[in-house]
Amino acid sequence: EVHLVESGGGLVQPGGSLRLSCTASGFTFSSCVMSWVRQAPGKGLEWVSDISSSAGNTHYADSVKGRFTISRDNSKNTLYLQMNSLRAEDTALYYCANHKLPHNVFDMWGQGTMVTVSS
Amino acid sequence: DIQMTQSPSTLSASVGDRVTITCRASQSISSWLAWYQQKPGKTPKLLIYKASTLETGVPSRFSGSESGTEFTLTISSLQPDDFATYYCQQYRTYPWTFGQGTKVEIK
Repeated sequence: EVHLVESGGGLVQPGGSLRLSCTASGFTFSSCVMSWVRQAPGKGLEWVSDISSSAGNTHYADSVKGRFTISRDNSKNTLYLQMNSLRAEDTALYYCANHKLPHNVFDMWGQGTMVTVSS
Repeated sequence: DIQMTQSPSTLSASVGDRVTITCRASQSISSWLAWYQQKPGKTPKLLIYKASTLETGVPSRFSGSESGTEFTLTISSLQPDDFATYYCQQYRTYPWTFGQGTKVEIK
């Protein structure tokens, strides 16, 4: 069975850092483009970042560029999101999602990990 | 960035109704548009991609169409399981962007 399981969320003060992880199982993770998508409480979906299967290409939303870094370890079937200089507006449920190639749409989603930025 | 504008924001309908949700792109995205369904407390579910291609396992009462930069999600006969929020997403150009969502409520 296909699974994506996020972890690493929590409460952090403004300006702080967190690293999110997403562990994949049940499919060939190393062949997949992966994204992080977030959803603030009661709000809509916002794409954050994606990474190619080999990690050679990454892209970011302007709202996180320079503060967040996406990476992956294909030997561990794990996707990461290093989040630095966190702001209150980064408070959201963070999902990892798999791209349904060749389309850049998301056909598999984890359950999400909650990040709360507050003093 | 390409802006995606959905209408209406909320829609009240009854079981058996034909429901139409519209998504307008701020510029041409060809057919690079997807639709998702999200129920409260659940993860989004891909319904349609490339404007009108139904994802495997999605009921045929869902359909998508396009006219220029305007895209439509239609539910031909609303079922109790369809009450949810629906999002469109363009994937023509980075950054991938979503519409603000349309909540389909019970009338």
